[in-house]
Amino acid sequence: AQTVTQSQPEMSVQEAETVTLSCTYDTSESDYYLFWYKQPPSRQMILVIRQEAYKQQNATENRFSVNFQKAAKSFSLKISDSQLGDAAMYFCAYRSVHSGAGSYQLTFGKGTKLSVIP
Amino acid sequence: DAGVTQSPTHLIKTRGQQVTLRCSPKSGHDTVSWYQQALGQGPQFIFQYYEEEERQRGNFPDRFSGHQFPNYSSELNVNALLLGDSALYLCASSLRSQGLYEQYFGPGTRLTVT
Repeated sequence: AQTVTQSQPEMSVQEAETVTLSCTYDTSESDYYLFWYKQPPSRQMILVIRQEAYKQQNATENRFSVNFQKAAKSFSLKISDSQLGDAAMYFCAYRSVHSGAGSYQLTFGKGTKLSVIP
Repeated sequence: DAGVTQSPTHLIKTRGQQVTLRCSPKSGHDTVSWYQQALGQGPQFIFQYYEEEERQRGNFPDRFSGHQFPNYSSELNVNALLLGDSALYLCASSLRSQGLYEQYFGPGTRLTVT
């Protein structure tokens, strides 16, 4: 079974600065998807960015980028030019590519609470 | 374009009772997944429905059951409620023909069991 670990329960960043959230995972599969989701106090989970394991290039979405280290099974999220609206819980998630038992479900880490200081 | 909707927003039940939560998927989506998110934890996969059948199930007891209707909406039923069932229940929808590539989440139903 796959596991996802987020070792930073809480992080804080000054507005306009850069912050990196860590995520490691354990899997025996060679192909999979990784995601970062944001959950603001309103509770609705929003997809921030995704990475396909077969792609060596790190995904980027505007101010959000990832550092995907497949051999190290590490998938960190970098938020540049942090804004007050970035304050939320951030969850790292894993999803298998292959069909069969356990596929298609998302396996989440416990989350990192990000605070943005004005 | 309506996103994923869930009802009710909040619910308070007593131990031993039964509860039904509802989810309407994003327009055009045909697959619904349910997750349980305990306080301070990440969501845990309960099960997934496609073509009105349960396709996958996480590590949850049979007290948790579901249904999917022809219009793709879904219900989550929990019988014999326990205090430990108190959580935020999230519904996520996706399109199977796209490999369930992206799951869109609803705002959740907060269930409190007393």
